Amino acid sequence: EDQVTQSPEALRLQEGESSSLNCSYTVSGLRGLFWYRQDPGKGPEFLFTLYSAGEEKEKERLKATLTKKESFLHITAPKPEDSATYLCAVQALIQGAQKLVFGQGTRLTINP
Amino acid sequence: DAGVTQSPTHLIKTRGQQVTLRCSPKSGHDTVSWYQQALGQGPQFIFQYYEEEERQRGNFPDRFSGHQFPNYSSELNVNALLLGDSALYLCASSLAGNSPLHFGNGTRLTVT
Repeated sequence: EDQVTQSPEALRLQEGESSSLNCSYTVSGLRGLFWYRQDPGKGPEFLFTLYSAGEEKEKERLKATLTKKESFLHITAPKPEDSATYLCAVQALIQGAQKLVFGQGTRLTINP
Repeated sequence: DAGVTQSPTHLIKTRGQQVTLRCSPKSGHDTVSWYQQALGQGPQFIFQYYEEEERQRGNFPDRFSGHQFPNYSSELNVNALLLGDSALYLCASSLAGNSPLHFGNGTRLTVT
């Protein structure tokens, strides 16, 4: 069964304390891996798309990387405004149709 | 450039009633997908519309139905509401193919 698992479920960091969020997946026919940020009461906001193992994307304090089995979202010297839930999703070819499967998210809190 | 807009933002319904949620896609997008997000969970795929037809469907019962109009806007209908239908309903738009989804801020549905 196609699955996306994110860890940890929740993470508290001090401002400036770097860390990484993990997204592991078991899907066949991977077409892309997406990272989203979701603030409370809002819809997910697109961050990155990764398509192949070894690919990396960066945006401000965030860097996403991809291997054949997992993706990492590295956050460097985070600020309180980086607090949000980070969602990982994989686009896979399932029974002839492309579908986006989300993980449950990592709730990140950055304390000042 | 307007992003994805959804209405209403909040809705309270009674068990057994029917509800219609509306979505206008981001300008230039032709594909609309609907997701259900329970509290603390990742979004779950309901269905996707392209060229006014349902193209893909997730594991949701027939009580969930939809429509896409010639201007690409879309509706999600849920009949015979259950308490378990309480969730944030997200609409996302994209260009047909592998482009990332852009989400609206959702409709918070509460069934009492």
